Amino acid sequence: DGGITQSPKYLFRKEGQNVTLSCEQNLNHDAMYWYRQDPGQGLRLIYYSQIVNDFQKGDIAEGYSVSREKKESFPLTVTSAQKNPTAFYLCASSITGRTGELFFGEGSRLTVL
Amino acid sequence: AQSVTQLGSHVSVSEGALVLLRCNYSSSVPPYLFWYVQYPNQGLQLLLKYTSAATLVKGINGFEAEFKKSETSFHLTKPSAHMSDAAEYFCAVSDRISGGYNKLIFGAGTRLAVHP
Repeated sequence: DGGITQSPKYLFRKEGQNVTLSCEQNLNHDAMYWYRQDPGQGLRLIYYSQIVNDFQKGDIAEGYSVSREKKESFPLTVTSAQKNPTAFYLCASSITGRTGELFFGEGSRLTVL
Repeated sequence: AQSVTQLGSHVSVSEGALVLLRCNYSSSVPPYLFWYVQYPNQGLQLLLKYTSAATLVKGINGFEAEFKKSETSFHLTKPSAHMSDAAEYFCAVSDRISGGYNKLIFGAGTRLAVHP
């Protein structure tokens, strides 16, 4: 079945450590996105990529980095520069030329100890 | 810039009662609008979408929403709530970015509780 796979589901990190969240899709979608979710704030866009080897900052990119070396993969690194990294992270993808509907993965919950 | 406001962060209804979740949007162009549902510790699932066709949109699980341009609203309704409807609901508006793609701008969400 086609879909988006995020891993790990739960992750604990000590302060000062970088951590990478994986996102893989087999939907053959060109565009991929990372959103951060905090209680009462909805979803906020971190980074997005429309094509391999290209990506753009979203609204809250500081303290995060991404890469897009393959169409299927869009990993997110939460760096030690991110001041408040504890959150639920959601990866999504979409088809170009459509209405903007996003397809989401199951999410990764990061907790900084 | 596009924006979305969801009125009421928490809504509680009795099983069998009408569900009404409110969403107002701000958009400089005819919008594409969406409702997503999220169950605890899961991703978002599309309930329904408005793409400038019929103003009354029917979605999954018995939900529907009506686009009202004059009120800039896209409220979500369901005639009879079921216990399984308890979840968080997000309204979103599509914002065009370069290359023919879109990004979604989300409201803060409404948590729906259904009690017996």
